[in-house]
Order: sequence, then C-alpha cells, then structure tokens
Amino acid sequence: GESVGLHLPTLSVQEGDNSIINCAYSNSASDYFIWYKQESGKGPQFIIDIRSNMDKRQGQRVTVLLNKTVKHLSLQIAATQPGDSAVYFCAEVRGGYNKLIFGAGTRLAVHP
Amino acid sequence: DAGVIQSPRHEVTEMGQEVTLRCKPISGHNSLFWYRQTMMRGLELLIYFNNNVPIDDSGMPEDRFSAKMPNASFSTLKIQPSEPRDSAVYFCASSSGLGSYEQYFGPGTRLTVT
Repeated sequence: GESVGLHLPTLSVQEGDNSIINCAYSNSASDYFIWYKQESGKGPQFIIDIRSNMDKRQGQRVTVLLNKTVKHLSLQIAATQPGDSAVYFCAEVRGGYNKLIFGAGTRLAVHP
Repeated sequence: DAGVIQSPRHEVTEMGQEVTLRCKPISGHNSLFWYRQTMMRGLELLIYFNNNVPIDDSGMPEDRFSAKMPNASFSTLKIQPSEPRDSAVYFCASSSGLGSYEQYFGPGTRLTVT
C-alpha cells in the first residue's frame, strides 16, 4: 500500500487520552459526511459517517459531531491507542451522487 | 472478499513513456472512482464511473490522462505521455451505491516519473 508524506497539521496525544479532530466544510448544501483514516502505506479506510439531519453519531470508541450552523465537523476518539496513529480525513458528499470532497487531513500521533 | 485490487503497486518510468494503472473493484459494486494524492493537492477525484459509464471526468487534469472501464470488474487509468509532475499515489475506490456513500479504497499505486 501507499501513502504520501503530507505536510499536515498534527495532533499529538498520550495513549489513553481522548482525541478530537476537527474539520470545517464549505458547502452548506452537503448532506452527508464521512471520516476516513489513512494509515501509512495504505488507502483511506471508512471510520464513521453522519447525515445532515443528525448532529451526533456514535460508533465503537468514535463519535462524530456535526454543527451545521458553523459548518463544522469533529471526530472524537476515546481512549486513544497507538494503532489510532494515522492521517484522518473528513469528506463531504456533493453533486447528487456519491462524489466525495476530501479535506486536507490531520495527522494523529499517539505517544506511549 | 479481497477488496479493491490495484496493480502495479509501484511504477517508475521515464518522462514521455506511457503508464497504465489497473483496478479491479469489489465484486457487485457499480461505482468506481480514480483519485490522485499528492503533497500539494491532497486527495483529488479524477473520474467517476457508474455502471461502467464515465459520469464525471471533470477532475482529469488534461488530455494526457484517460480512463476506461470495459466491464464491471476492470478499469484502467492511462497517462500518455507521462511527465514528472504526474508523480503521485493513485487510488482506485469502489462503492455499492445501494443507499450508501461509503467508498472502499485500494492500496494505491505509487507512480514516479523521472
């Protein structure tokens, strides 16, 4: 698998702490959002999604919050583990079909 | 399921040569996407196929790039002639399109044009 060494904003956390990764989107008409995780040397992997008619959705150790008023999305990871170290992308759906527009990404670094 | 399969995983070629990247989507998925990932521009959609038909190719950089999907289980992305600025990681993704927007990505092909 492959990835690129993007010069991305980095969030550094201690193992066991909670992590919050933020994303701002631009199109108020976007009606669906997805968070992807990209580990080194791999393609992006789906984590969790949320529709615009919701403001919160929970998964296993992850929660996505959507604030449509300020066009802001966040991903919360509980009890962060070393295996969570990766680049995280938010993506919004536009265009009436499943065309994803990806954000720039945030690198999460988990320290023991 | 083996997931989305891409080949080759690495490609090094000289400027001016033709490059062909290959993708096998997940069986049963009717949507296929080609993306390019670079340091400068992040992850960009190049082209989107639905039921083997190109729906949106607005992301294809220029005429040197072309993509085909001759059947539901195979797609190619061709660059002719290649240039150093085409160096990037190219991802293929597929989606079932059954009420879900989730796209499943392949491992990518790292292309280096010297």
